[in-house]
Amino acid sequence: AQSVTQPDIHITVSEGASLELRCNYSYGATPYLFWYVQSPGQGLQLLLKYFSGDTLVQGIKGFEAEFKRSQSSFNLRKPSVHWSDAAEYFCAVANQAGTALIFGKGTTLSVSS
Amino acid sequence: DAEITQSPRHKITETGRQVTLACHQTWNHNNMFWYRQDLGHGLRLIHYSYGVQDTNKGEVSDGYSVSRSNTEDLPLTLESAASSQTSVYFCASSDGTSGFPDTQYFGPGTRLTVL
Repeated sequence: AQSVTQPDIHITVSEGASLELRCNYSYGATPYLFWYVQSPGQGLQLLLKYFSGDTLVQGIKGFEAEFKRSQSSFNLRKPSVHWSDAAEYFCAVANQAGTALIFGKGTTLSVSS
Repeated sequence: DAEITQSPRHKITETGRQVTLACHQTWNHNNMFWYRQDLGHGLRLIHYSYGVQDTNKGEVSDGYSVSRSNTEDLPLTLESAASSQTSVYFCASSDGTSGFPDTQYFGPGTRLTVL
């Protein structure tokens, strides 16, 4: 069965520092992968997605993610974090039918000044 | 602009009562989903629909039901609310016509408390 693991429950990063949020997936075929962000009290917003092709995917708000099949990973990165990036981040993989998403448990990002 | 809305945004109810949470989308999307979000569990799929008159059970469907009578709406009903159903509920929709997994667009959520 498909699954998504986000190993870090909570991460604190200094403003201006780089960020990497980890995501590992379990899926037999080529996965369809997503990163969503949830600001406090808000719904989820899509940051980026990977379906095929270039393994480095660019998203909104300066985020990027790299798909590594050999490591079953889809880590999210940002070179310089802003205070407004403080939020909860969810990695997700599409289910085998391709019509619903399986989410990781999320990583909470705090940004210190 | 197209959007997806949920109502109410906050609801307090008592154990045993029937509760219905509304979800309305103006994207004209085929697919609609209901998730619940709980601390330590992330988002878990409750029910989903691929079109009018179509409904399917997700990972945590016990105690919940949905019906899809039109494209725009997928109401979620808790038949007899239980304290374990205290949660934040999110509705989402996606296009569903490409044959590939689509971006899901999420509503703002409904915070439900069952006392």
